[in-house]
Amino acid sequence: DAGVTQSPTHLIKTRGQQVTLRCSPKSGHDTVSWYQQALGQGPQFIFQYYEEEERQRGNFPDRFSGHQFPNYSSELNVNALLLGDSALYLCASSLLARTDTQYFGPGTRLTVL
Amino acid sequence: GQQLNQSPQSMFIQEGEDVSMNCTSSSIFNTWLWYKQDPGEGPVLLIALYKAGELTSNGRLTAQFGITRKDSFLNISASIPSDVGIYFCAGRIQGAQKLVFGQGTRLTINP
Repeated sequence: DAGVTQSPTHLIKTRGQQVTLRCSPKSGHDTVSWYQQALGQGPQFIFQYYEEEERQRGNFPDRFSGHQFPNYSSELNVNALLLGDSALYLCASSLLARTDTQYFGPGTRLTVL
Repeated sequence: GQQLNQSPQSMFIQEGEDVSMNCTSSSIFNTWLWYKQDPGEGPVLLIALYKAGELTSNGRLTAQFGITRKDSFLNISASIPSDVGIYFCAGRIQGAQKLVFGQGTRLTINP
């Protein structure tokens, strides 16, 4: 049973650049949520996707956008990167009927210089 | 917004000791979850709680959903070296899709 996978593992960008992170949900799951985890903090909710639509969004600017594909995989895009965007970006998958039980991937470590 | 206060922030214990940590909130939650995160990894789900008063075990781990629905605790019995890591509580309020996380409890075990 394939778990949640994310790519790439690590990424280094410079301020002002754009980045795309990818996530494949756990087999059988249809809902993907994205979280940002700063060093020493708990994860913060960015947004959630189901049926290719954004269902809920956290307190993140419009520079953060996402997409979900028909195969349930998802992308997180961040434009105009700031130093403060450096963090571990986590993808979590769940079933819509059980969205309270979310399983996380290993994350993508983004460093903005 | 909803906040979860997790305590203690860190614990230093001897191998074999029991561990207890808790999470409280001013908001009512419908679900409580406990995760463990190792350095450079994503959080791994340990226990999920869905009803007030529910007590659930997973091996040496036991967690409870508080009666008021505003708190939860996690106990680890007879700690072993692989229990080292950061433990997070997370909760979901009714109607919300997101999980709200505590600040984490860092567990260190002295052999």
